[in-house]
Amino acid sequence: GQQVMQIPQYQHVQEGEDFTTYCNSSTTLSNIQWYKQRPGGHPVFLIQLVKSGEVKKQKRLTFQFGEAKKNSSLHITATQTTDVGTYFCAGRSGGSNYKLTFGKGTLLTVNP
Amino acid sequence: GAGVSQSPRYKVAKRGQDVALRCDPISGHVSLFWYQQALGQGPEFLTYFQNEAQLDKSGLPSDRFFAERPEGSVSTLKIQRTQQEDSAVYLCASSLRSNRNPNYGYTFGSGTRLTVV
Repeated sequence: GQQVMQIPQYQHVQEGEDFTTYCNSSTTLSNIQWYKQRPGGHPVFLIQLVKSGEVKKQKRLTFQFGEAKKNSSLHITATQTTDVGTYFCAGRSGGSNYKLTFGKGTLLTVNP
Repeated sequence: GAGVSQSPRYKVAKRGQDVALRCDPISGHVSLFWYQQALGQGPEFLTYFQNEAQLDKSGLPSDRFFAERPEGSVSTLKIQRTQQEDSAVYLCASSLRSNRNPNYGYTFGSGTRLTVV
């Protein structure tokens, strides 16, 4: 079945440093979504990427979808303590237009 | 309501006990999903409803797990004869997605943390 892998599993940064998490799928994706889960909270939808090579920005967050639609990345510029949480990518493959397969997530901690 | 509501927030069950977890999705959301999240892991798909129809239950771990959404709104996930390995957070999500418009994100509820002792 479809597998979605994320690296790194954990990332600790000093406030103000940049952060990147990478997502790779075993199959070509029709789209990919990113979610943020604060400690003790539930996943919150951030963004969806659909097109090959697509890049989207949300303030300090930059999301990319690979040309082959099998990988994606989330980059945060100048991290803040409010960025703490686990970032999940979730992919949908052509075989299903509703089921999202989540990666294991990258836990980001920020030292003030 | 404004968001997806799940109850109870926490549930402690003795091994062998039956439990029922409730999800009240956002009004008008056609799609409803149940996911299971173990500690330190990503959510894992359990089942999917489009309105009242359960279109996919391939993720349910065993026949002890049963989900329903009889009127196309509130959904209940039932676990019979709970086992320790059932301990996890059970997340419900709803979405505007439909077959015609599949590209919508999910809105998750706060989840039910089930602990089987």
